[in-house]
Formats: sequence, C-alpha cells, structure tokens
Amino acid sequence: DAGVTQSPTHLIKTRGQQVTLRCSPKSGHDTVSWYQQALGQGPQFIFQYYEEEERQRGNFPDRFSGHQFPNYSSELNVNALLLGDSALYLCASSLGDSDEQFFGPGTRLTVL
Amino acid sequence: DQQVKQNSPSLSVQEGRISILNCDYTNSMFDYFLWYKKYPAEGPTFLISISSIKDKNEDGRFTVFLNKSAKHLSLHIVPSQPGDSAVYFCAASEGNTGFQKLVFGTGTRLLVSP
Repeated sequence: DAGVTQSPTHLIKTRGQQVTLRCSPKSGHDTVSWYQQALGQGPQFIFQYYEEEERQRGNFPDRFSGHQFPNYSSELNVNALLLGDSALYLCASSLGDSDEQFFGPGTRLTVL
Repeated sequence: DQQVKQNSPSLSVQEGRISILNCDYTNSMFDYFLWYKKYPAEGPTFLISISSIKDKNEDGRFTVFLNKSAKHLSLHIVPSQPGDSAVYFCAASEGNTGFQKLVFGTGTRLLVSP
C-alpha cells in the first residue's frame, strides 16, 4: 500500500521563476493538504483540496495556487518565487474530514 | 501569532527513562490535538491524538495528557528508546469547520542516549 508520494525530491529555482510540485495521496484518501516548513519551524498550512476544490486556505499570498485532479492527486504552484519561499513543502492526505493526516517525505525547494 | 507553542527546542534523556514533551496552545477553539514524529529526510509520522472531550489517551509506550483549563498537553514516552530520537511536533485543529487544517508547533528534538 503506497503512502503519500511527492515529486520532485529536490528543486533549485531562481527568484522570479515559477515552480510546480506534485503529490499523490495515500490509497483511498480523497483530501490533500499542503504545508510549508521553513528551517527550524513547524509546518504551516497553505491550503486543502477536496473534490477538486480548495476547501480551506492559510495565510499565504495568491502566488501560491493549487489544483486537485479527479484521481485525487494534487499540484502546488508557486509563481514569482522569492528567496523566502525556500522551504520543505509537505503534502498530506486524509479521508474526508478526518483529522488524521498522512504526510509525504516533502519536496525541498531552494530559491537562489 | 504562534497559536501552538513548544517551548523546549530540545530534550535529552537516557534509554529506559521517561521522556516528557510539552505543548501549549492559545486558541480555545482547538478541540483535537495530535503528536507527530519526524525523522530527517522524512515527512512527519502520526503518533497519537486526543480529543478535547478526553484528558488522557494511551497507546503502548505513548500517552498524551490534555489539560484544557491550562491549555496544555504533554506527550509521555515510557520507556524511552534510542529509536525514539526524532523531532516531535504538536499539532491542533478546530472541529467546527469539517475539513481540518493542522496548526503545528515548532517542534522539540528528542535525543535518547543508550
């Protein structure tokens, strides 16, 4: 039973570029949440998708956008990258409105 | 505005002893609390949770205690093992929205020495 998978593992971009991160949820899960974890901090909620719609959003600018596909996989897009966007981006999946979220290994984004 | 706080960045204990990790929160609307463990290069792994209607939940060596009046929870690991060495995150959610976003603390790095 595959858990949550994310791609790519690592990514290096320059300021002003755009990036797309991908996530496949755990088998049977239909809800995907994205978190940003800066160095030395806890994960911060970006947004959550269910039934291909954004259900909740954290305190992140519109440069951060996402999408959920019919197979429940999801993408996180970040436009006009800033140095401060450098972080570990975590995807978590869950079933419906369950509190228990399962995390993927993350994508390490470095913005130069 | 840090709604979930873990004031101890690190904790060192000896194998076989008890590890106690603490977490405080400020949002009285939080009604579900979780602990996650994170190893380097891995995503957080769910450990144990507790609903606000309880004050204790136990799962093997792990017990979480919740003190709602103090807005405080703690994770007890007994006995501690070297494999428990990891970063532990406390997280909380509000139940009224249906779809839960987790609010995390900054983590406590636990080192269990043989």
